[in-house]
Amino acid sequence: GNSVTQMEGPVTLSEEAFLTINCTYTATGYPSLFWYVQYPGEGLQLLLKATKADDKGSNKGFEATYRKETTSFHLEKGSVQVSDSAVYFCAATYNNNDMRFGAGTRLTVKP
Amino acid sequence: DGGITQSPKYLFRKEGQNVTLSCEQNLNHDAMYWYRQDPGQGLRLIYYSQIVNDFQKGDIAEGYSVSREKKESFPLTVTSAQKNPTAFYLCASSIWGSLNNEQFFGPGTRLTVL
Repeated sequence: GNSVTQMEGPVTLSEEAFLTINCTYTATGYPSLFWYVQYPGEGLQLLLKATKADDKGSNKGFEATYRKETTSFHLEKGSVQVSDSAVYFCAATYNNNDMRFGAGTRLTVKP
Repeated sequence: DGGITQSPKYLFRKEGQNVTLSCEQNLNHDAMYWYRQDPGQGLRLIYYSQIVNDFQKGDIAEGYSVSREKKESFPLTVTSAQKNPTAFYLCASSIWGSLNNEQFFGPGTRLTVL
């Protein structure tokens, strides 16, 4: 079945470090791809999305590019802040109801 | 403000009791979803509804039931048949009809079975 695999955490970085969280998806059809962020005790918030190959989603300094050739959608940020500490989920939608989530990657940024 | 509300935020249940989690949205979305989140795992789909009076089982529907009598509301009942109900439950909604549409999430309900 369809699935999303993302880099296991936890990830701990110092403030202003470069962040990459890897995400790959199964290549059934042409899914839309999403990154969500979850702060402690809260629901998920959409961070960015990309709906076709070579699209780049971006928001709040985070970026991810839809790479069809490698079935990947890696999340990057050039300089993380303490406030970016959260759990990040990669997701792919294969049809209207089938949104698949990765296991989540916990990021902790230290001052 | 448009959004999704879930209540209560924390819920405690004794073994053998049914409990209902509330989910309401004022985004005028046709589709609504219930997910379960366990520590270190992604979200798993319990039920979803595309339209009023219709709903479909997700990957882990056993021990759960839902209803969709109004467009705005999609309550989830955790029954005594659910063997391991302690988890964080998330409700979401979306526009139906395109896989480009993101899901909007509520703040979640944490259920603990005592």
